[in-house]
Amino acid sequence: GAVVSQHPSRVICKSGTSVKIECRSLDFQATTMFWYRQFPKKSLMLMATSNEGSKATYEQGVEKDKFLINHASLTLSTLTVTSAHPEDSSFYICSARDPGSRTDTQYFGPGTRLTVL
Amino acid sequence: QQPVQSPQAVILREGEDAVINCSSSKALYSVHWYRQKHGEAPVFLMILLKGGEQKGHEKISASFNEKKQQSSLYLTASQLSYSGTYFCGTESGSDKIIFGKGTRLHILP
Repeated sequence: GAVVSQHPSRVICKSGTSVKIECRSLDFQATTMFWYRQFPKKSLMLMATSNEGSKATYEQGVEKDKFLINHASLTLSTLTVTSAHPEDSSFYICSARDPGSRTDTQYFGPGTRLTVL
Repeated sequence: QQPVQSPQAVILREGEDAVINCSSSKALYSVHWYRQKHGEAPVFLMILLKGGEQKGHEKISASFNEKKQQSSLYLTASQLSYSGTYFCGTESGSDKIIFGKGTRLHILP
């Protein structure tokens, strides 16, 4: 199946710093990518829809200025957690839809575990 | 809008069967099933499109009742590798998938 990568896989940072997470579709072009957040033993919460060449669409309750999303190319979307605080510690997962698949399947990246000290 | 999954958790012995249900209060365009193991990202199992189809993947199959806005995932002759948390995700035409709270499945040898 299609492959989506994320970098870094794990990051530990101090409170107040910003962290950038990259999401790449490796063998297909994705005009739309999605960013999820998952707390331990909880479901995946959709944060925003990243659209190539235009502004991201954020879900209700997600701070746009805190979670900056940039979808600069058809294979790369980035999520920047600005001025991170301990409550931002979480598992962040991106996904991308493969428009070439017959059923428009959505594939997930391996996730990035963020720990803010 | 979040779909409701049941049961919340299941414990089986290897070789037993299980059914995981997913229901939505909204009309559905598609249902997606994923399995997630501890510390890993979800892995795609299958997608069902409106039309009331049923699909199979090895010993894991699923059905989608569009009228009832429900989907069920069937695990037959479960294997140890089936352990994990199963999520259903529903799409109602907005191009985004909303996930249920998950069903934890634990297979005992």
